[in-house]
Amino acid sequence: DGGITQSPKYLFRKEGQNVTLSCEQNLNHDAMYWYRQDPGQGLRLIYYSQIVNDFQKGDIAEGYSVSREKKESFPLTVTSAQKNPTAFYLCASSPTSFDEQYFGPGTRLTVT
Amino acid sequence: KQEVTQIPAALSVPEGENLVLNCSFTDSAIYNLQWFRQDPGKGLTSLLLIQSSQREQTSGRLNASLDKSSGRSTLYIAASQPGDSATYLCAVVNNAGNMLTFGGGTRLMVKP
Repeated sequence: DGGITQSPKYLFRKEGQNVTLSCEQNLNHDAMYWYRQDPGQGLRLIYYSQIVNDFQKGDIAEGYSVSREKKESFPLTVTSAQKNPTAFYLCASSPTSFDEQYFGPGTRLTVT
Repeated sequence: KQEVTQIPAALSVPEGENLVLNCSFTDSAIYNLQWFRQDPGKGLTSLLLIQSSQREQTSGRLNASLDKSSGRSTLYIAASQPGDSATYLCAVVNNAGNMLTFGGGTRLMVKP
């Protein structure tokens, strides 16, 4: 089955802890993205990667970090520096950054 | 900076009605525009992608139009069904192909 997987579906953390969200794709896509969605709002871009070993900041990168060591994987770390980390996090990929984006099922992170 | 606006924010219609969702963007230098559907607590499903050189795209009961010069797109849904109830998001890719900017979405409810 081809697609994008995100794990876990729900994640709970205490304030002050770093947490890493997983995103894997087997679509052979070059580009991958992380978005954040808050209740009743659209998506905001956190980080994107157009090719392996390269990534750029999006609109709201502060308090987040990523790596792209493999084409299939684009993990997102939410650090303790992120002031309001509770949100729904969506990962996406596309063949190139100009193509249609395909989304994973999302991870809902709750920090208390 | 690109801004994408969707009006209305919420819409409730009886089953069978034809309806139009609106999307406007401030910077007409776009590469393409995508319409997505999002069910509660789920990821996004791509509905239609319109390249900047195209005027419209059709898929089943869905028709999306693009007027790049005026910064507008519409999503037309024919003969609406309760299963169409979801949030509909539009997003534009800039000409550099490195940024997808989302609107806030239109939450649609189709009543039986």
